[in-house]
Amino acid sequence: DQQVKQNSPSLSVQEGRISILNCDYTNSMFDYFLWYKKYPAEGPTFLISISSIKDKNEDGRFTVFLNKSAKHLSLHIVPSQPGDSAVYFCAAFRGGGGSNYKLTFGKGTLLTVNP
Amino acid sequence: DAGITQSPRYKITETGRQVTLMCHQTWSHSYMFWYRQDLGHGLRLIYYSAAADITDKGEVPDGYVVSRSKTENFPLTLESATRSQTSVYFCASMRQGVNIQYFGAGTRLSVL
Repeated sequence: DQQVKQNSPSLSVQEGRISILNCDYTNSMFDYFLWYKKYPAEGPTFLISISSIKDKNEDGRFTVFLNKSAKHLSLHIVPSQPGDSAVYFCAAFRGGGGSNYKLTFGKGTLLTVNP
Repeated sequence: DAGITQSPRYKITETGRQVTLMCHQTWSHSYMFWYRQDLGHGLRLIYYSAAADITDKGEVPDGYVVSRSKTENFPLTLESATRSQTSVYFCASMRQGVNIQYFGAGTRLSVL
């Protein structure tokens, strides 16, 4: 039972255009969401996060949108740069104590930004 | 600021051998985690620890053992390695109250 789904294994965009990476979740108890970026032979690095009490969070070129009713979040990268080429993982926390420090990850989306 | 380091970065072993992967963090974070990354599965949690001497199973714990005698170290042991344990292993840590995990560079393990 995959609770966090990234249905696009890969995405290719042109430099300067917008990249939109999507993520769906099934567990309504998730209340905090994160995006990680991963380059080959490196560990995932934290990119941006959003709490379920918000619907948007922005950090420079990166914006995450959350639609709780649809259980959907997306990461927008504007403008896309070749250095953004990496695998992007969506991850979610379930709040409420107990196991709320465990992350559930999607399978990742490989973004390629072409010069 | 060393952060979180994993060793070795690459390891080749044979089936049935015992292997220990090391993880060390300098932030004094309470929480530490072990994940494995496999094609088609993303990152799956093996074990986690909320503090020294407190550990618990994650999603895929079979065949693995962990310990945490000191806050800064969280070794992962494969007691009798199998080919299905060929994977890339990531260690992560997190400060209590902050929902962001920080990852090491990973250990690529091949079991022949």
